[in-house]
Amino acid sequence: AQSVTQLDSQVPVFEEAPVELRCNYSSSVSVYLFWYVQYPNQGLQLLLKYLSGSTLVKGINGFEAEFNKSQTSFHLRKPSVHISDTAEYFCAVSPNSGGYQKVTFGTGTKLQVIP
Amino acid sequence: DAGVIQSPRHEVTEMGQEVTLRCKPISGHNSLFWYRQTMMRGLELLIYFNNNVPIDDSGMPEDRFSAKMPNASFSTLKIQPSEPRDSAVYFCASSMGQGMAGELFFGEGSRLTVL
Repeated sequence: AQSVTQLDSQVPVFEEAPVELRCNYSSSVSVYLFWYVQYPNQGLQLLLKYLSGSTLVKGINGFEAEFNKSQTSFHLRKPSVHISDTAEYFCAVSPNSGGYQKVTFGTGTKLQVIP
Repeated sequence: DAGVIQSPRHEVTEMGQEVTLRCKPISGHNSLFWYRQTMMRGLELLIYFNNNVPIDDSGMPEDRFSAKMPNASFSTLKIQPSEPRDSAVYFCASSMGQGMAGELFFGEGSRLTVL
């Protein structure tokens, strides 16, 4: 079984400032990692994913995340946030073996960008 | 291209009534997921279908919940009888392939309020 921990439930940040949203996971097997974003009254949308290869993954809207296997982390970063980045962000993990593997979502981090 | 389509977007009903939520996945996707989102429990997987067959229903809360997928383009989630604790946002998501390396595409959700 795997688990995901997003320690920060809310992160306020001023517009144009950098932001980091933290994600740690636990798993006994190798994993795929994901970040999803949920804008108000909408479904979740994939921001980026790590499957294999380079540990630095770039996603949409200028976001990137770095997979750190030794620290079992997959933190999401953006060098300069915009008002439109205000949303809830979910980290997710699934085992990377073949076939159906259940994805586990974190509890989410609400990013509030302050003008 | 049309995304995942859910209906109704909002449903208010009284305790004891039957509720049916509907989902049309993206054409060509062969995996369909029903999730429930609440403040207390976050995002929970209720059931997963692959090629119209239920593969994992371990997340279905109890016998009051049932889900069907009669064909590749339609699925329903039914709650009968409904209870106030069923109040939540229910999301349908679809993807290509069986494994979670594929991207999940979420609908906009059905917000259910049971009075």
